Amino acid sequence: DAGVTQSPTHLIKTRGQHVTLRCSPISGHKSVSWYQQVLGQGPQFIFQYYEKEERGRGNFPDRFSARQFPNYSSELNVNALLLGDSALYLCASSGTGGESHGYTFGSGTRLTVV
Amino acid sequence: AQSVAQPEDQVNVAEGNPLTVKCTYSVSGNPYLFWYVQYPNRGLQFLLKYITGDNLVKGSYGFEAEFNKSQTSFHLKKPSALVSDSALYFCAVRDSLGSGNTGKLIFGQGTTLQVKP
Repeated sequence: DAGVTQSPTHLIKTRGQHVTLRCSPISGHKSVSWYQQVLGQGPQFIFQYYEKEERGRGNFPDRFSARQFPNYSSELNVNALLLGDSALYLCASSGTGGESHGYTFGSGTRLTVV
Repeated sequence: AQSVAQPEDQVNVAEGNPLTVKCTYSVSGNPYLFWYVQYPNRGLQFLLKYITGDNLVKGSYGFEAEFNKSQTSFHLKKPSALVSDSALYFCAVRDSLGSGNTGKLIFGQGTTLQVKP
């Protein structure tokens, strides 16, 4: 059974560009969350989606957006990239709305903005 | 607001010795607590969780954690450390259930565990 898959694994972008990161949750999981992990810090919550609806949004600017598709996969989009957006972006899936279950994380996408 | 603190940036222990990685939390209501481990250039791997029940929770790879409500702590422990346990460890708390809550995880800053042969 495949785990949470994220693509691409690594990405280099220039300031001002746009980026799209992709996530496929564990089969049967309907909830997907996105986190940003800057080097030396703990992951910070960006978005959570459940059944294609946004359930929560962290303290991130409007340059960050996301969506969830009918097959429960998800995309995270970041516009007008800044150097400070360089980070490991993690996707996590959970079996329900996340009520009492652990979250399974993907290996992440390492984004470098130059 | 919910928060998690990991007071030690790094913990050093000799192989074969017991290890403890500390975590304290601040939540309203009952806490849902988690420990994750991260190896270099990898995502987070789930170790264990406390939702309710016994205060001593057993998890993966021989790790366990003790929930202490009076001290608002959830320390990670292992009786005998291995060199392969060397990694970055994160404690996290989930928003308690309730109207409008998203179920997001709030992470501590992380503790680097170094196990020396």
